Amino acid sequence: AQSVTQPDIHITVSEGASLELRCNYSYGATPYLFWYVQSPGQGLQLLLKYFSGDTLVQGIKGFEAEFKRSQSSFNLRKPSVHWSDAAEYFCAVGVASYDKVIFGPGTSLSVIP
Amino acid sequence: KAGVTQTPRYLIKTRGQQVTLSCSPISGHRSVSWYQQTPGQGLQFLFEYFSETQRNKGNFPGRFSGRQFSNSRSEMNVSTLELGDSALYLCASSLAVEGAPNQPQHFGDGTRLSIL
Repeated sequence: AQSVTQPDIHITVSEGASLELRCNYSYGATPYLFWYVQSPGQGLQLLLKYFSGDTLVQGIKGFEAEFKRSQSSFNLRKPSVHWSDAAEYFCAVGVASYDKVIFGPGTSLSVIP
Repeated sequence: KAGVTQTPRYLIKTRGQQVTLSCSPISGHRSVSWYQQTPGQGLQFLFEYFSETQRNKGNFPGRFSGRQFSNSRSEMNVSTLELGDSALYLCASSLAVEGAPNQPQHFGDGTRLSIL
């Protein structure tokens, strides 16, 4: 069965430091991959997505992610974190039937001023 | 343009009752997906509708049902409510093209359902 894991439940970084959030998936075919961010009391916002092509994907708010097929990973990165980036981050995989997206458990990010 | 609108934002019900939640997608979007979010189970897929047809359904009991209208607005219904149904229910809309990957792009702020 398809699954998504995010090994880090919670991460704390200092403002201005770099960030990498890990995501691993289990899926037999080429997946469609997404990263979302959720601020408290709000819905999810799509940061970026990978369907095909260049494995380094640029998103909004200065985020990028790299698809590594050999490692079944799709890690999210940002070179310099801002205090406003504190939120919950979800990795998700779209399955072959195209109409179902499975979410990982999420990583909570705290930013120290 | 207006985002995804979910109503109501908050709802309190008691066990055994039923509830209907509403989701109005972004204008022109034909796909609406529903998710249940709880601290213990995270985000779980309920179902997805495209052009008034349910395309896929998650692993939820038959008490959870939905429908989509011709204007793409969607409703979700939960009957015989249980304490475990307390959750944030999110809907997402996407432009979607038949045969192309679904990508829930725009989420509403959710309906917080509390069961007493």
